[in-house]
Amino acid sequence: AQSVTQLGSHVSVSEGALVLLRCNYSSSVPPYLFWYVQYPNQGLQLLLKYTSAATLVKGINDFEAEFKKSETSFHLTKPSAHMSDAAEYFCAVSDYASGSRLTFGEGTQLTVNP
Amino acid sequence: GAVVSQHPSWVICKSGTSVKIECRSLDFQATTMFWYRQFPKKSLMLMATSNEGSKATYEQGVEKDKFLINHASLTLSTLTVTSAHPEDSSFYICSARLSSSPGAPEAFFGQGTRLTVV
Repeated sequence: AQSVTQLGSHVSVSEGALVLLRCNYSSSVPPYLFWYVQYPNQGLQLLLKYTSAATLVKGINDFEAEFKKSETSFHLTKPSAHMSDAAEYFCAVSDYASGSRLTFGEGTQLTVNP
Repeated sequence: GAVVSQHPSWVICKSGTSVKIECRSLDFQATTMFWYRQFPKKSLMLMATSNEGSKATYEQGVEKDKFLINHASLTLSTLTVTSAHPEDSSFYICSARLSSSPGAPEAFFGQGTRLTVV
């Protein structure tokens, strides 16, 4: 079985500061890992994905994440937060066998203060 | 990128009535679609996996007679909440997988449907 743990249900940063959202996963097989963003009353938008190629993955809006197998982590970072980054962020895991059947973490609400 | 359209975006219905939610892949074919339910300030819970031309596979604890899923074509899946009750009020989101997708099988999400049962 797969699982995802997002450390910190709420993260607050100042505009221009570094954003770090933490995600740890559990999987018995090589995982596929995803970060999604959700704005209120909207669906999910893919930020980036890890597909067993490069361990440092770059996504949209200057977000990036690094896959660390030894730490079973896939933390999301952004060098400089923007007010528009305030949203809910979900880390998710799947694998080749489960296809697009995603297992989500509990989510992290990011607040950006002016 | 691939677009998934979900309709309606919000609906209010009376207790005891049925509501149908549509999920369409607009510019690609999707052999597999997924239905999720999201409670307020909570994560997404997978309800069922819908495969074109076959019966849906429901997750444990999801009532298949209450949440009817039909995937009649490669671009359309529907979720019908039958005899809805206030506890069915939630945010429902669908996602669709490209029929042939190299690398990670990425899923594309609809914009969600806010269901309120009064």
